[in-house]
Amino acid sequence: AQKVTQAQTEISVVEKEDVTLDCVYETRDTTYYLFWYKQPPSGELVFLIRRNSFDEQNEISGRYSWNFQKSTSSFNFTITASQVVDSAVYFCALLNNNAGNMLTFGGGTRLMVKP
Amino acid sequence: DAGITQSPRYKITETGRQVTLMCHQTWSHSYMFWYRQDLGHGLRLIYYSAAADITDKGEVPDGYVVSRSKTENFPLTLESATRSQTSVYFCASGGSGVNEKLFFGSGTQLSVL
Repeated sequence: AQKVTQAQTEISVVEKEDVTLDCVYETRDTTYYLFWYKQPPSGELVFLIRRNSFDEQNEISGRYSWNFQKSTSSFNFTITASQVVDSAVYFCALLNNNAGNMLTFGGGTRLMVKP
Repeated sequence: DAGITQSPRYKITETGRQVTLMCHQTWSHSYMFWYRQDLGHGLRLIYYSAAADITDKGEVPDGYVVSRSKTENFPLTLESATRSQTSVYFCASGGSGVNEKLFFGSGTQLSVL
């Protein structure tokens, strides 16, 4: 069975602060993929990043960065210099190809960035 | 317009009624999925389909029925709605590649009174 845990249900920061959203996963498979999705107040789910289990390089995209560590089964997401527009619910998800391309989602972290 | 669309956007129904949520995608993606989103649970998979006429249960299938007679459509039916099925429902589609990302519809907010 696979599982994704996002222990932080809500985080509140002031604009320009850095914030890290934690994601811990469980899987027995050696090949898997990890994702982050953003759900802004409008409700749609927006794809942010996909990472495969063989690539442990950290990735940076503008103010966003991701730290993938297989040793601790974590795939954490950091927003640098947060902005009000970053306020959203963020979901970490795990894909196991043996399960028909199904995504298993964490419970989500609600990020509130105050001006 | 290309994409994935869900209808209706909002639906209010009564306990015991049948209701169908529609999902249509224009990419000819092989895979389609139905998730429900509830506070504290994130998104949970209800049913998925790998191709037309192939469907399978997800994590929380009880009380739901799906069909996929055409690649582009994947309706979800609540045969006899219950209050516990009040939720936001998301349809998603994705290709059959090894690590295809999913594209999500805008969601249907369903209230069962």
